[in-house]
Amino acid sequence: QVQLVQSGAEVKKPGASVKVSCKASGYTFTSYYLHWVRQAPGQGLEWMGIINPGAGSTSFAQNFQGRVTMTRDTSTSTVYMELSSLRSDDTAVYYCARGGWSELWYLDIWGQGTMVTVSS
Amino acid sequence: EIVLTQSPGTLSLSPGERATLSCRASQSVSSSYLAWFQQKPGQAPRLLIHGASSRATGIPDRFSGSGSGTDFTLTISRLEPEDFAVYYCQQYGSSPYTFGQGAKLEIK
Repeated sequence: QVQLVQSGAEVKKPGASVKVSCKASGYTFTSYYLHWVRQAPGQGLEWMGIINPGAGSTSFAQNFQGRVTMTRDTSTSTVYMELSSLRSDDTAVYYCARGGWSELWYLDIWGQGTMVTVSS
Repeated sequence: EIVLTQSPGTLSLSPGERATLSCRASQSVSSSYLAWFQQKPGQAPRLLIHGASSRATGIPDRFSGSGSGTDFTLTISRLEPEDFAVYYCQQYGSSPYTFGQGAKLEIK
């Protein structure tokens, strides 16, 4: 079945970087955009950015420009989201979610989420 | 950036009642690219509705979506106990693909 499986929880110090992975299975990896969305504790959902796993092209929300990198490994059907210069307000659950063959598509499959805690 | 405002913030109803949740956009949402998600504690969001009114695979027909332009509505015709959760709208017609702040549906 179609699924996205994310890497485990992380604890980081302020100023460090974190890299979260999202492994896709059950569909053609390069045919569907993947999005990253985060959710701070007790808060709503915040869209971070999008990657085209086929071309490797990316687009990010203004709030994350310069701090986020999204990459992919087509040999393992995995996308990665790296966030640098971490602050305490980056503490959140980070989700990957599948879009469609176009950027303008709904998010139909979500990963289980990865908790990232930033604390000194 | 399109800002989505959901109302009410919290809705208290009983099982069997009808729920109506609103999502208003700060500017027109292109081609009705509006989705609704349900989220329960400790779980990832689940897609309910896309294209403003199309139910996602496996979603019961008591869930329905409507609207266009700047005003959208999610209706749950007869609430089941498992429907009490937080609901989010999202527009995916214009980057950044913003979410509403969420609406909590709680048991009265």
